[in-house]
Amino acid sequence: DVKVTQSSRYLVKRTGEKVFLECVQDMDHENMFWYRQDPGLGLRLIYFSYDVKMKEKGDIPEGYSVSREKKERFSLILESASTNQTSMYLCASSLGPGMNTEAFFGQGTRLTVV
Amino acid sequence: EDKVVQSPLSLVVHEGDTVTLNCSYEVTNFRSLLWYKQEKKAPTFLFMLTSSGIEKKSGRLSSILDKKELFSILNITATQTGDSAVYLCAVRSPWIGGSTLGRLYFGRGTQLTVWP
Repeated sequence: DVKVTQSSRYLVKRTGEKVFLECVQDMDHENMFWYRQDPGLGLRLIYFSYDVKMKEKGDIPEGYSVSREKKERFSLILESASTNQTSMYLCASSLGPGMNTEAFFGQGTRLTVV
Repeated sequence: EDKVVQSPLSLVVHEGDTVTLNCSYEVTNFRSLLWYKQEKKAPTFLFMLTSSGIEKKSGRLSSILDKKELFSILNITATQTGDSAVYLCAVRSPWIGGSTLGRLYFGRGTQLTVWP
């Protein structure tokens, strides 16, 4: 069974903290994505990676960075958390370039920055 | 500017009703359109549509794509309380120009509530 696992379901962090959100997939997928989901705004792409050490900015990369040192793991980093980064964060993975298949999602991390 | 527009944003029905959810899009180099269901957790995949006019069906859910008019509908017949969820529409197109890197553009979702 396909699995995308996010390290935490709920996180509470203080303003200014450095925050790491981890995502691991066991499907040998090349593509991995980080989205944030806010009420009324849908899913917005933060970053994606199509290979180890490769990354592309999505629609809202400001205040975020990512790391992909191994194929199965994609980390989202909030360099200095702010209250406007309070949100649901969803990780997803899919097969590589040119493959027209669905994306599989993790269960989400609800981050609250206080 | 939204590339994928879903309507309605919210819908409340009673069990047994039939509902139609709409998704229109405007992307270049369309590859596929996907529907997901999201309850209070990860979105789960429902359908992927690539060709116009071919209905995909799974139980009480069905979906069809019109590539000429750039829209898709998701139908749910004989709704049940377990159908209550956010339904997400996403369209895949290349990341940049003719790149093989594809990304999904999501709509804002339709919140469906089914009352007993």
